[in-house]
Amino acid sequence: RKEVEQDPGPFNVPEGATVAFNCTYSNSASQSFFWYRQDCRKEPKLLMSVYSSGNEDGRFTAQLNRASQYISLLIRDSKLSDSATYLCVVNPIQAGTALIFGKGTTLSVSS
Amino acid sequence: SQTIHQWPATLVQPVGSPLSLECTVEGTSNPNLYWYRQAAGRGLQLLFYSVGIGQISSEVPQNLSASRPQDRQFILSSKKLLLSDSGFYLCAWSAQTSSSGNTIYFGEGSWLTVV
Repeated sequence: RKEVEQDPGPFNVPEGATVAFNCTYSNSASQSFFWYRQDCRKEPKLLMSVYSSGNEDGRFTAQLNRASQYISLLIRDSKLSDSATYLCVVNPIQAGTALIFGKGTTLSVSS
Repeated sequence: SQTIHQWPATLVQPVGSPLSLECTVEGTSNPNLYWYRQAAGRGLQLLFYSVGIGQISSEVPQNLSASRPQDRQFILSSKKLLLSDSGFYLCAWSAQTSSSGNTIYFGEGSWLTVV
């Protein structure tokens, strides 16, 4: 099993749609989780951290299920500008080592 | 605020030539520093990380090397490039403390094409 797995997509949705991405991780001891966004030929940028109780930032909601070892990202009311690749990121231990990145899920929002 | 810069942004190098990519971080002290590579159609691969000056950990065997001559400077090098070294190279930093959960911040990236 790969350390961090994501459906590569692409997810093609119309403006205004709600779309959800899932990501699974293999290390049950993983401590922290993130979603990053990467635009074409650009560096990844932090979208949001994922907290155990779930968290929301505007149209974006992230959730963590430790028992099943997956995290999710929900985007409501999709905008054209949401088109990007979304990377699931896991920190295998609490501090001092590098994050593990999934290969990303590509989202394309069309008018 | 903290900033990270890396250069050059793009370069085309012949096989067998040397490589030097440089990265600097400003606005923070004693950061963790990282070099990642993203090949076409693939995920981010960690190449090196450093928790302090002169302390480099290599994640994968390769013909690349890294050095950290100063606290906020990280350099990626190769003596002889291979075609397979082509890709998008990203420098990144994170805080030493775990309060931020190891949030990582990337530089703008360097596109390397080996021909």
